[in-house]
Amino acid sequence: AAGVIQSPRHLIKEKRETATLKCYPIPRHDTVYWYQQGPGQDPQFLISFYEKMQSDKGSIPDRFSAQQFSDYHSELNMSSLELGDSALYFCASSSSATGRSYNEQFFGPGTRLTVL
Amino acid sequence: DAKTTQPPSMDCAEGRAANLPCNHSTISGNEYVYWYRQIHSQGPQYIIHGLKNNETNEMASLIITEDRKSSTLILPHATLRDTAVYYCIVRATNTGTASKLTFGTGTRLQVTL
Repeated sequence: AAGVIQSPRHLIKEKRETATLKCYPIPRHDTVYWYQQGPGQDPQFLISFYEKMQSDKGSIPDRFSAQQFSDYHSELNMSSLELGDSALYFCASSSSATGRSYNEQFFGPGTRLTVL
Repeated sequence: DAKTTQPPSMDCAEGRAANLPCNHSTISGNEYVYWYRQIHSQGPQYIIHGLKNNETNEMASLIITEDRKSSTLILPHATLRDTAVYYCIVRATNTGTASKLTFGTGTRLQVTL
């Protein structure tokens, strides 16, 4: 079965650079979530989108922005990168269709961002 | 969303049942209990969820107490591949909204030979 695809899987950036992470949800999933997991930390919710509209916002820095496109893929844009932004970034998707899978979030393999 | 409390770590022998407890004494009537797990640095994986009845699927069973203030995730025959951090998450499920997951510290389950 198709899973959530994230690219790139690894990314190395310098401080003050920008980074763009991409997420391709499972086909027919209309909802995308972004989570950040720092070293030794638990995943923390950043932002979510439902039908291309921002749905919820967590502890996402103002330097970060995200959007969901017409094909439902999503991009997380990170500017003025700081050392503390080094983390695993997970994207998850879900379907709002009624049925057993509603709100069951399927996670991608993550993008490991290292800021030097 | 209601706060949850889980033991930080547990051990289980391979082939035995792993019983992971979770306290959620402030759970509201419209909040579900969800369990996810994260195998080292992989994306979290959905296991099971329930409202008030016990639930079972191919991965695990979920036992929720009658007062709904606690629950237990049961892996009936743990294997080495079940070694992971297990998260108990309580949240409302509202149709049409993208409901985030709030991860606590979870229980680190170590399955040994």
